[in-house]
Amino acid sequence: DADVTQTPRNRITKTGKRIMLECSQTKGHDRMYWYRQDPGLGLRLIYYSFDVKDINKGEISDGYSVSRQAQAKFSLSLESAIPNQTALYFCATSDLGGANTGELFFGEGSRLTVL
Amino acid sequence: AQSVTQLDSQVPVFEEAPVELRCNYSSSVSVYLFWYVQYPNQGLQLLLKYLSGSTLVESINGFEAEFNKSQTSFHLRKPSVHISDTAEYFCAVSDRAAGNKLTFGGGTRVLVKP
Repeated sequence: DADVTQTPRNRITKTGKRIMLECSQTKGHDRMYWYRQDPGLGLRLIYYSFDVKDINKGEISDGYSVSRQAQAKFSLSLESAIPNQTALYFCATSDLGGANTGELFFGEGSRLTVL
Repeated sequence: AQSVTQLDSQVPVFEEAPVELRCNYSSSVSVYLFWYVQYPNQGLQLLLKYLSGSTLVESINGFEAEFNKSQTSFHLRKPSVHISDTAEYFCAVSDRAAGNKLTFGGGTRVLVKP
């Protein structure tokens, strides 16, 4: 089983619908992240969480919200999806420990299409 | 804020030929450097990283990258590519002064032709 699991892997929805992408991890890491990937733009950080009680906005948080339900779970919500949120979304984790270097461990991605 | 530039968005290359993917970043103060690879329909995997010590780092599948502080670069090279190296490659920089959050470049898509 994957260390970082994302569900759903693919989703097609309509403008205005509420969408939740879920992420769970078995790596025991404290830090969790949500990124979106767009062609030519690389990965851009949406939100990140350093622990259950710590949520931070990334560079493109508008239109998104997150919930850190437990150390192992971090979900991303689109309250009212719009077509320009069509993208590949990645969840990632990293270790908060003394050896933390910023290295990330990624899920396999959730492809979202908003019509 | 840190920025990362990958100058080539696509690099076509013939099998067994060398390839170089260029990466430049904006700040050289206290950074860690990474190359991630994304194979088709998969997530990103760490390819190699520079944390400290020798400025030349290698991966298990023949890639290498060199940290050049004066030029703020971390170019990735492989002397002889295989078809299986077809993927998208992302350079990323972790800025220690910013809590080690990663900033990614735009990616370079490598297409290896037979």
